[in-house]
Amino acid sequence: NAGVMQNPRHLVRRRGQEARLRCSPVKGHSHVYWYRQLPEEGLKFMVYLQKENIIDESGMPKERFSAEFPKEGPSILRIQQVVRGDSAAYFCASSPDRGAEKLFFGSGTQLSVL
Amino acid sequence: ILNVEQSPQSLHVQEGDSTNFTCSFPSSNFYALHWYRWETAKSPEALFVMTLNGDEKKKGRISATLNTKEGYSYLYIKGSQPEDSATYLCASPSGSARQLTFGSGTQLTVLP
Repeated sequence: NAGVMQNPRHLVRRRGQEARLRCSPVKGHSHVYWYRQLPEEGLKFMVYLQKENIIDESGMPKERFSAEFPKEGPSILRIQQVVRGDSAAYFCASSPDRGAEKLFFGSGTQLSVL
Repeated sequence: ILNVEQSPQSLHVQEGDSTNFTCSFPSSNFYALHWYRWETAKSPEALFVMTLNGDEKKKGRISATLNTKEGYSYLYIKGSQPEDSATYLCASPSGSARQLTFGSGTQLTVLP
């Protein structure tokens, strides 16, 4: 079984461009979580999605950031008009259920904004 | 927002030493406590998920205990090896959706 697949591994964008980060969960997992690791900081929760639904986006900045997990295809984290402060490692995780179930993490996407 | 704290922030030990570190969390509305190991250039990997007060779990030389009444968990590594060098994260579900809130981690370096 393939684990959580994230792509690209590295993404370079100039200020004002859009960044699209993709995450394919473990096969059979319907819960997807996005976390962000800023330099010198720990993992910070951004958004929790189930298929076609955003369950909790309390950790996501109100502007420029959006996430989706369509019925078919990967989950997408989209950052519009990127700024230098968006430079971070973005990790996706999946689980078959919420709560007590352990998370399976992808290798992350390192976003660098020039 | 749940406050999960870990100590120490970093730790250097000699190969063969045993070590332990702490995760503290609010004891009210406890649901579960997770431990993850995060090696450099890799993704976090689950070690344990514990739910009951007094739980003890073991995986090889690594073990963990849980005290939900006082709000702490210990992770122990017996006979540390260089390959144990990693950041160890604890996390607890919070919020209405029970998403995991992570501590800042303990960075362990085992010197040969």
